Amino acid sequence: QSVLTQPPSVSAAPGQKVTISCSGSSSNIGNKYVSWYQQLPGTAPKLLIFENNKRPSGIPDRFSGSKSGTSATLGITGLQTGDEADYYCGTWDTSLSGWVFGGGTKLTVL
Amino acid sequence: EVQLLESGGGLVQSGGSLRLSCAASGFTFSNYAMSWVRQAPGKGLEWVSSLRGSGTSAFYTDSVKGRFTISRDNSKNTLYLQMNSLRAEDTALYYCAKGNSSSGMDVWGQGTTVTVSS
Repeated sequence: QSVLTQPPSVSAAPGQKVTISCSGSSSNIGNKYVSWYQQLPGTAPKLLIFENNKRPSGIPDRFSGSKSGTSATLGITGLQTGDEADYYCGTWDTSLSGWVFGGGTKLTVL
Repeated sequence: EVQLLESGGGLVQSGGSLRLSCAASGFTFSNYAMSWVRQAPGKGLEWVSSLRGSGTSAFYTDSVKGRFTISRDNSKNTLYLQMNSLRAEDTALYYCAKGNSSSGMDVWGQGTTVTVSS
């Protein structure tokens, strides 16, 4: 059971938009920055979003992040088949004194 | 090019030990917190341990406390994870990653596989 809660799977058609939620608590998302990671099949995770809504260099603006209270959301617009991957949210938990990740969400582009 | 390269994984019997290494290049290693994150077969990401750039203030997930030790040699740009009293549930792909809770884990290695046989 992960500290951060994500839906196990989401799906949408190419060109459409999808959002992935990440729910936590006041000891993690509520008081810390959230980051999001994309893990394509058979590869290492890749940072998509940091500090809740900032994109590293090279990440297209089709990817966006937001945070409200103890929840965060990853948005992906203009879906492509190449976006099919597992997506994870992560943050620091002050009660646990460690990083916590969501259980991951598998995105299927139909 | 910023790069992390893990090594040291392998097959070990339950109760055994392994030391993982992560060689860093392309950035000022001592300026950054580093972490180990593992992924069991078919499962999600699980944070294992983090260490600040100075080498002080190590943090561990509860399941490895007292068994694993994270360390770094900033003169060699290398992060380590000493794993003792290994259990079957430690079987996973172990990644090292650069970054902190603000920047996120912005660079990841390709991982090294640890298999613990019971």
